[in-house]
Amino acid sequence: DAGVIQSPRHEVTEMGQEVTLRCKPISGHDYLFWYRQTMMRGLELLIYFNNNVPIDDSGMPEDRFSAKMPNASFSTLKIQPSEPRDSAVYFCASRSLGSGANVLTFGAGSRLTVL
Amino acid sequence: AQSVTQLDSQVPVFEEAPVELRCNYSSSVSVYLFWYVQYPNQGLQLLLKYLSGSTLVKGINGFEAEFNKSQTSFHLRKPSVHISDTAEYFCAVIEYNTDKLIFGTGTRLQVFP
Repeated sequence: DAGVIQSPRHEVTEMGQEVTLRCKPISGHDYLFWYRQTMMRGLELLIYFNNNVPIDDSGMPEDRFSAKMPNASFSTLKIQPSEPRDSAVYFCASRSLGSGANVLTFGAGSRLTVL
Repeated sequence: AQSVTQLDSQVPVFEEAPVELRCNYSSSVSVYLFWYVQYPNQGLQLLLKYLSGSTLVKGINGFEAEFNKSQTSFHLRKPSVHISDTAEYFCAVIEYNTDKLIFGTGTRLQVFP
């Protein structure tokens, strides 16, 4: 298994531009999580899905952020318009409920820099 | 809601010395506990987990942790560290019957030769 795949690994954009981060979870995993990591706030859970349905988006910072999971093998996190304070590393993680262990497998992350 | 506290933001240690990284949690219900490691420019990798049973849990790379319910702690230990153990270590907790894994702020372990 290739693990959780995230793209792009690095993104540099200018304030006001739209940013789309992508994630391919491990095949067979039915939960998908988006986290954001910053020096100031550490690792924050933004949103998670179960069977492609958003379950809890209470961590999404504001309306500029949106996430979708159109099918079991793909999810996007979109920021529109982007702001410098959105600069962070965004991680996607997936989990199989069947494993019974609540163990998340993380992708390598997408480092976003908004100028 | 659950929370996790990692009291030490940085822990410097010499190679082959023992190390303990501290983690305390707060929750009104039973929890599962985890330690993850993050090497530079990489994602998080599971070190070990406590789900139930023996309170002493062994993980990868020679790490172990002990769950202490009365002190609500889950400290990570290694008897002899290597240079390659230099990384950021995160303690995390998830409450029973929930899906939200909550992380501590992390401890940077720096191993010196």
